[in-house]
Amino acid sequence: DGGITQSPKYLFRKEGQNVTLSCEQNLNHDAMYWYRQDPGQGLRLIYYSQIVNDFQKGDIAEGYSVSREKKESFPLTVTSAQKNPTAFYLCASSILDRGYGYTFGSGTRLTVV
Amino acid sequence: SQQGEEDPQALSIQEGENATMNCSYKTSINNLQWYRQNSGRGLVHLILIRSNEREKHSGRLRVTLDTSKKSSSLLITASRAADTASYFCATAGLYNQGGKLIFGQGTELSVKP
Repeated sequence: DGGITQSPKYLFRKEGQNVTLSCEQNLNHDAMYWYRQDPGQGLRLIYYSQIVNDFQKGDIAEGYSVSREKKESFPLTVTSAQKNPTAFYLCASSILDRGYGYTFGSGTRLTVV
Repeated sequence: SQQGEEDPQALSIQEGENATMNCSYKTSINNLQWYRQNSGRGLVHLILIRSNEREKHSGRLRVTLDTSKKSSSLLITASRAADTASYFCATAGLYNQGGKLIFGQGTELSVKP
């Protein structure tokens, strides 16, 4: 079955560490997105990509980095520059036609220890 | 930048009752979408309504859109305990913006058996 897979489900980061969250899709979607969700809050856009080897910053890109070397994959690195990284991270993909909705992964919960 | 604001923030009803959630947004849109999120999970796309549509139905869901008031509502009829979740509206901008969606803060719905 086609879908979007995020891993790991839970991730713990020590102060000063970089960590990478994985996002893989087999839906043949062109566009991929990373959102951050804090408790009781909506989703805020971190980065998005419409095509391989190209990506754009969202509203809260500081302290994060991404790559898009393959159509299927859009990993997110949370760097040590992100001062408050504890949150729920959601990856999504879509067809670029705006008549379609997003397909979301099941999320990664990142906690700083 | 958050586009949508949802009202109410939380809603508690009995099984069998109808649930209505409202969403307001600030700028012109191509379409508006509604998503459901069960606790600790990813979002699931429910329904999309285009800016030239006024009402749309899908099963027990009814969505209305009033572009003059920049608002939308989601009605869930004959609610079930399984409808307990958070519901988010999301807007797609009028101009090509990489297909990105701007999400509201969400309404937390609790349906009591």
